[in-house]
Amino acid sequence: AQKVTQAQTEISVVEKEDVTLDCVYETRDTTYYLFWYKQPPSGELVFLIRRNSFDEQNEISGRYSWNFQKSTSSFNFTITASQVVDSAVYFCALLTQGGSEKLVFGKGTKLTVNP
Amino acid sequence: GAGVSQTPSNKVTEKGKYVELRCDPISGHTALYWYRQSLGQGPEFLIYFQGTGAADDSGLPNDRFFAVRPEGSVSTLKIQRTERGDSAVYLCASSPEGLAGGRVTQYFGPGTRLTVL
Repeated sequence: AQKVTQAQTEISVVEKEDVTLDCVYETRDTTYYLFWYKQPPSGELVFLIRRNSFDEQNEISGRYSWNFQKSTSSFNFTITASQVVDSAVYFCALLTQGGSEKLVFGKGTKLTVNP
Repeated sequence: GAGVSQTPSNKVTEKGKYVELRCDPISGHTALYWYRQSLGQGPEFLIYFQGTGAADDSGLPNDRFFAVRPEGSVSTLKIQRTERGDSAVYLCASSPEGLAGGRVTQYFGPGTRLTVL
């Protein structure tokens, strides 16, 4: 079975701090895809990144970076120099090659960045 | 261009009533998905359409839930005999093609908040 665990329910930081959101996944498939989405207070899910299981290279996009480690089944997300606008709920999600199109989401981490 | 739109944005109904929720995907997107998001939870997969056909409806909780996409664009999620436990935000997403094996992602709509009294 496929499962995504986001152990941090809520995180609160002060602006300009770095923050890392954890994501641990479970799957028996060797081919799978990992995603991060942002859900601001408006409610609409915004795509941040997609990573394929055969590509373990870490990725940086501006203040955002992602650390994919197959050995620990983790796909963590770091925001550098956080800003108030980063406040949102962040979801990690898993899609397996053998799982049809069923995207499995974690329960999300609510990030609050205080000024 | 226009994103995924969903109507209504809010729907309040009474227990036992029938409701329809509409999703307008991005033009040209062949893949369409419905999810349900309860308070404090991540979205939960309900059904996936490829074109007009439901390719995977394994997430529908029971036979009170049904979805159609007759012309391969707009989709309607139908819930019969609503129960209080059906209260949630229903999200629709579309994609140019299926997610698995490709490099695309889904684009989500703003959701319909359903409240069953």
